[in-house]
Amino acid sequence: DTGVSQDPRHKITKRGQNVTFRCDPISEHNRLYWYRQTLGQGPEFLTYFQNEAQLEKSRLLSDRFSAERPKGSFSTLEIQRTEQGDSAMYLCASTTGSQGFDTEAFFGQGTRLTVV
Amino acid sequence: GEDVEQSLFLSVREGDSSVINCTYTDSSSTYLYWYKQEPGAGLQLLTYIFSNMDMKQDQRLTVLLNKKDKHLSLRIADTQTGDSAIYFCAETLRRGNNRLAFGKGNQVVVIP
Repeated sequence: DTGVSQDPRHKITKRGQNVTFRCDPISEHNRLYWYRQTLGQGPEFLTYFQNEAQLEKSRLLSDRFSAERPKGSFSTLEIQRTEQGDSAMYLCASTTGSQGFDTEAFFGQGTRLTVV
Repeated sequence: GEDVEQSLFLSVREGDSSVINCTYTDSSSTYLYWYKQEPGAGLQLLTYIFSNMDMKQDQRLTVLLNKKDKHLSLRIADTQTGDSAIYFCAETLRRGNNRLAFGKGNQVVVIP
């Protein structure tokens, strides 16, 4: 296992199109997080999964955003009717969740979305 | 609150020490972290400190935590050109499913 992988690395889309990103966490990790990072800012939390259950969603996650983790392994993040303001780096992180707490969240390389 | 504040830019000569500061607001945070992000890359965990510690040293990195003032600092000794990056401090939000709250980052530029 080489860590958290995200696909694609880059995505350019026209405004109004739908896009879907994928995250493959480290295999034994049961917690998965999505973050969004805009230029010049730190990552901001979007949503969190414990196994297949989506347990928390940020108010940043509008109705156009949906995330799934159907089998508790990989996760997808879909953005419908993209807007230019959606342009950002989308980061996925996973942790083990053992002992109720983790000291390290492992991040993927991110998917950079550009909406034109 | 979830606000994590950082200063924005630091330039330092190769071989000198660099210090990056951060303030946080969630007193219930158990762990505080420093992440490094190089251009076009994801986040790399550099080090972390447990909230009941005042200091942690890890090779060239020294983390100082002032829990009373909610102030965290990262000192990089003998700064190298490979240390040029953006550095983020982050705190875990125990009331938030242990998700991370990040500062805006501090860009460090090492001058050869």
